[in-house]
Amino acid sequence: NAGVTQTPKFQVLKTGQSMTLQCAQDMNHNSMYWYRQDPGMGLRLIYYSASEGTTDKGEVPNGYNVSRLNKREFSLRLESAAPSQTSVYFCASESREYQETQYFGPGTRLLVL
Amino acid sequence: DAKTTQPPSMDCAEGRAANLPCNHSTISGNEYVYWYRQIHSQGPQYIIHGLKNNETNEMASLIITEDRKSSTLILPHATLRDTAVYYCIVRVNNAGNNRKLIWGLGTSLAVNP
Repeated sequence: NAGVTQTPKFQVLKTGQSMTLQCAQDMNHNSMYWYRQDPGMGLRLIYYSASEGTTDKGEVPNGYNVSRLNKREFSLRLESAAPSQTSVYFCASESREYQETQYFGPGTRLLVL
Repeated sequence: DAKTTQPPSMDCAEGRAANLPCNHSTISGNEYVYWYRQIHSQGPQYIIHGLKNNETNEMASLIITEDRKSSTLILPHATLRDTAVYYCIVRVNNAGNNRKLIWGLGTSLAVNP
């Protein structure tokens, strides 16, 4: 049982490049989330998916797209990376069976030059 | 979801109890109090949550005041590994598609030898 996994762990991009951050969970959770965390700040929600086939915007969705590929996987895409998107990205899944607690992945550290 | 107020930092001696306060004076009757922690650069980890009764698990105790306007997370015997940022969050459960958690800056707890 790996929990929530994220790939890659680190990435360096040039401005304008695109990339997709992958997230997968093996806990059969319905809901999944993407957050970003900037130095000295709390987590900010980018997008979330309450169930397979649905996605909704969070607090800071601009510049990102998401895909809930199936129940296990929720990917985050940067179409044209900007230096302001330099951050640590965390994926989480949520258990409705246990009072909606969230389980987080180890994070992806992204640097956009 | 209501917002929370936490002290930015606290210190605790190893082996002693760490008491982390959280103010949530605008909490609604159906909002739960959740605590998570984030150990340096890792993904946040769920600790405990409650609605109005005090709760205890293997990690911590949660004391919620009778008026529910504040709560205290208690780590009974803090160890060096408890050094982390602790987040207090309030949210409504079973909110359908409304699942936007608001993460503040948390309390940075330093456990000293």
